[in-house]
Amino acid sequence: QVQLVESGGGVVQPGRSLRLSCAASGFTFSRYAVHWVRQAPGKGLEWVAIISFDGTDKYYGDSVKGRFAISRDNSKSMLFLQMNSLRPEDTAVYYCARDSSSGYWPQYWGQGTLVTVSS
Amino acid sequence: QSALTQPPSASGSPGQSVTISCTGTSSDVGSYNYVSWYQQYPGKAPKLIIYEVSERPSGVPDRFSGSKSGNTASLTVSGLQAEDEADYYCSSYASNNNIYNYVFGTGTKVTVL
Repeated sequence: QVQLVESGGGVVQPGRSLRLSCAASGFTFSRYAVHWVRQAPGKGLEWVAIISFDGTDKYYGDSVKGRFAISRDNSKSMLFLQMNSLRPEDTAVYYCARDSSSGYWPQYWGQGTLVTVSS
Repeated sequence: QSALTQPPSASGSPGQSVTISCTGTSSDVGSYNYVSWYQQYPGKAPKLIIYEVSERPSGVPDRFSGSKSGNTASLTVSGLQAEDEADYYCSSYASNNNIYNYVFGTGTKVTVL
């Protein structure tokens, strides 16, 4: 079965960096685009980024553009999110989510990892 | 890209139906049949329950149905059950000048009375 396990969350000071990871299993990772989606405490879902199946195309939400970078290692079935210049408003649970085969909606989700940006 | 607009809450008694609206624009919901709906329980990850406006993934009860008219999509839960009490989010693909974009709704908390 499809499994996505996020890691790397924690408490970080404003302005610092953090790198999240997502380990995928149960499917051929290299065939699917993958998203990052976040959810601030008590708030709704916010799309963060997507990377194409082969890593050549990357797109970002406006609130993270220029600060976050999505990448993948298909040889290890791993997804990453490098988060720089972190702000308190980046505090959220970060989910990785595998896209559908068509590429237009997140289909399977991990359980998330909490990032807290605070001094 | 602004979030899609959903009512903050909806409720119904067991066995009744509840419909949640999701209003976007001609740049997202109105232009693409890539509207999805997710169910989320507190402290849990979202679960896909509707994709491509009205399609249900395997294992999702047919009590859940979706539709779209213009810039507004809707999710209907028929024959409400206690287990349907959760948060529901719509979402849509939203290309902006041929740049991939994606947007979620503001979320609706469904209460089973």
